[in-house]
Amino acid sequence: DQQVKQNSPSLSVQEGRISILNCDYTNSMFDYFLWYKKYPAEGPTFLISISSIKDKNEDGRFTVFLNKSAKHLSLHIVPSQPGDSAVYFCAASASGTYKYIFGTGTRLKVLA
Amino acid sequence: KAGVTQTPRYLIKTRGQQVTLSCSPISGHRSVSWYQQTPGQGLQFLFEYFSETQRNKGNFPGRFSGRQFSNSRSEMNVSTLELGDSALYLCASRLGYDTGELFFGEGSRLTVL
Repeated sequence: DQQVKQNSPSLSVQEGRISILNCDYTNSMFDYFLWYKKYPAEGPTFLISISSIKDKNEDGRFTVFLNKSAKHLSLHIVPSQPGDSAVYFCAASASGTYKYIFGTGTRLKVLA
Repeated sequence: KAGVTQTPRYLIKTRGQQVTLSCSPISGHRSVSWYQQTPGQGLQFLFEYFSETQRNKGNFPGRFSGRQFSNSRSEMNVSTLELGDSALYLCASRLGYDTGELFFGEGSRLTVL
């Protein structure tokens, strides 16, 4: 049972435009969410997080939106740059479980 | 500040052998988690340790085991290797007791022949 789903395996966006990566979850106990970026042959790198008490968090070009009623979160990258081309994972955790559940990832390609 | 260090980076084993992977967390981090990454499966949670105690375990067979030492370094062991164990094994550490971001190492890529 995949509790965290990233239904788009890949996404292509023109440089300078907005990239929107989506993530859905099924467990209503999840209260902390993160996004990671992963380049080939490297470990995932933390991008941005959000707790369930918020519905938006911004950090530079990256903004994460959380819709608790829809059990949906999204990562917006504006403007997209070629260096953003990577695989993006969303992850969720419930307090007291000491583990994160990751989605299967979305491969973003930013075209110059 | 040194990041999470995993050794070895690459290794090749044959079916039936066992393997031990090592992870040194960021200094001061007491929580260490292990994940398995395979194509199409994302990152699958193996286990998490805090202060030498396993606090949670994923849905992997008993052939997968781990431990954490008093200096927070961690090892994971896979016995009786199977072809399907070929994967990238990622270790992550974090400062917080419960939540907080994970800092990942570069991983150990295991190939089972």
